[in-house]
Amino acid sequence: KAGVTQTPRYLIKTRGQQVTLSCSPISGHRSVSWYQQTPGQGLQFLFEYFSETQRNKGNFPGRFSGRQFSNSRSEMNVSTLELGDSALYLCASSGGVSGNTIYFGEGSWLTVV
Amino acid sequence: AQKVTQAQTEISVVEKEDVTLDCVYETRDTTYYLFWYKQPPSGELVFLIRRNSFDEQNEISGRYSWNFQKSTSSFNFTITASQVVDSAVYFCALSADSWGKLQFGAGTQVVVTP
Repeated sequence: KAGVTQTPRYLIKTRGQQVTLSCSPISGHRSVSWYQQTPGQGLQFLFEYFSETQRNKGNFPGRFSGRQFSNSRSEMNVSTLELGDSALYLCASSGGVSGNTIYFGEGSWLTVV
Repeated sequence: AQKVTQAQTEISVVEKEDVTLDCVYETRDTTYYLFWYKQPPSGELVFLIRRNSFDEQNEISGRYSWNFQKSTSSFNFTITASQVVDSAVYFCALSADSWGKLQFGAGTQVVVTP
C-alpha cells in the first residue's frame, strides 16, 4: 500500500519567488493537512483540506495557500518567498479505513536563498 | 487551546537500556486523540501509536509501550531494550478540536549508542 507521496523532495528557491509543493495522500484518504517544520518554531499546522474544502487553517500569512483536487491530491503554494520560509514541509493524510490515524509523507525540503 | 509539552530535550542511552519519553497535554475537549511519531534524519514522521481519550488501556506492542493517564494528562512512551536504530526525534501530538489538525510537542531527541 503506497504511503503519502510528496514532490519535490528538495528544492532551492530565491527570495521573492513562489513555490508549489504537491502531495498525494494514501488511497482512500480524503483529509490532507500540511505542516511546516523549522528548528526555531518546531512543527506547525498550516491547513487542512477535506473533500476539496479547507476545513482548518493555522496562523500563517496569506502568502501560504493550498488546494485539494477531486482525487484528494493536494498542493500548497507559497508566494513571495522569504528567507524564513526555509523549512521542511510535511503533508499528512487520514480517513478511510485508517480512521483518525494521521500518516505523513517524507516531506519537501525548501531552502530559500 | 491545545498544548503539548515534552520537557525532555534529549535522552542518551546505551543500547539495550529502556527509554521513557514524557508527554503532558492540555485540552478542554472531552474527545481527543494522542499520537507518538518518530522522525529519523530523513525527515519523514513515522506513525507509532494512537490512543483515544476514552480508552485508557495501556498496551505493549513489540518493544513499544505507552502509559496513558487522563488524571494527570500524561501520555508517556517507553522503548524497551533500545537499539541504535531507535535513534531519532520523537514527537507527541494531540488532535482535539479538529480531525487532521495536530498540535505537536517540541520533540525529544533520543540517542542510542552501541
